[in-house]
Amino acid sequence: ILNVEQSPQSLHVQEGDSTNFTCSFPSSNFYALHWYRWETAKSPEALFVMTLNGDEKKKGRISATLNTKEGYSYLYIKGSQPEDSATYLCAPRQGGSEKLVFGKGTKLTVNP
Amino acid sequence: ETGVTQSPTHLIKTRGQQVTLRCSSQSGHNTVSWYQQALGQGPQFIFQYYREEENGRGNFPPRFSGLQFPNYSSELNVNALELDDSALYLCASRPPDRVDEQYFGPGTRLTVT
Repeated sequence: ILNVEQSPQSLHVQEGDSTNFTCSFPSSNFYALHWYRWETAKSPEALFVMTLNGDEKKKGRISATLNTKEGYSYLYIKGSQPEDSATYLCAPRQGGSEKLVFGKGTKLTVNP
Repeated sequence: ETGVTQSPTHLIKTRGQQVTLRCSSQSGHNTVSWYQQALGQGPQFIFQYYREEENGRGNFPPRFSGLQFPNYSSELNVNALELDDSALYLCASRPPDRVDEQYFGPGTRLTVT
């Protein structure tokens, strides 16, 4: 069973703050890492797919880095806005499998 | 919007009953996966269907079964419902040859009493 840990479990920040959270996963047999953003009552929305060690990806104010050797990824949000409030899920894939193995997520609340 | 819809949004069933959940994918998406998210957990892979055949299963018993139809819709069926089956059920579909692109629906919330 692939153990995927996300921390913190929840986070409250003020509008304008920058924040980051962590996804940890086993480094063996790594294939890809997916990040999703999930607002309540909506569909999870794909943010990034990362495959190579040292990958950095950016989408607006959100960016992510990947370390496959030590098995972690960071997600950064610069200048948080209330609309960034959501649960952020990471899901590694192993060995070419399509199966996503999700962490429990980090619930971000941005207060205006 | 992901273009993937699920129905119903919510439903309540009694232990021992059977339930069918539905997913409508984008046109051309020939692969669909189903996930179960229990309270406080991340989504867990149930199974995947490709071209109307099961193509991989997670750690779920046979009373969880599925169907995929040529019109890019699919179903998740659960027999002999148990209280622990109470969860949010998500489907995710993707186009051919685009393994990295999984489009999720908003989920169906199932409560078993």
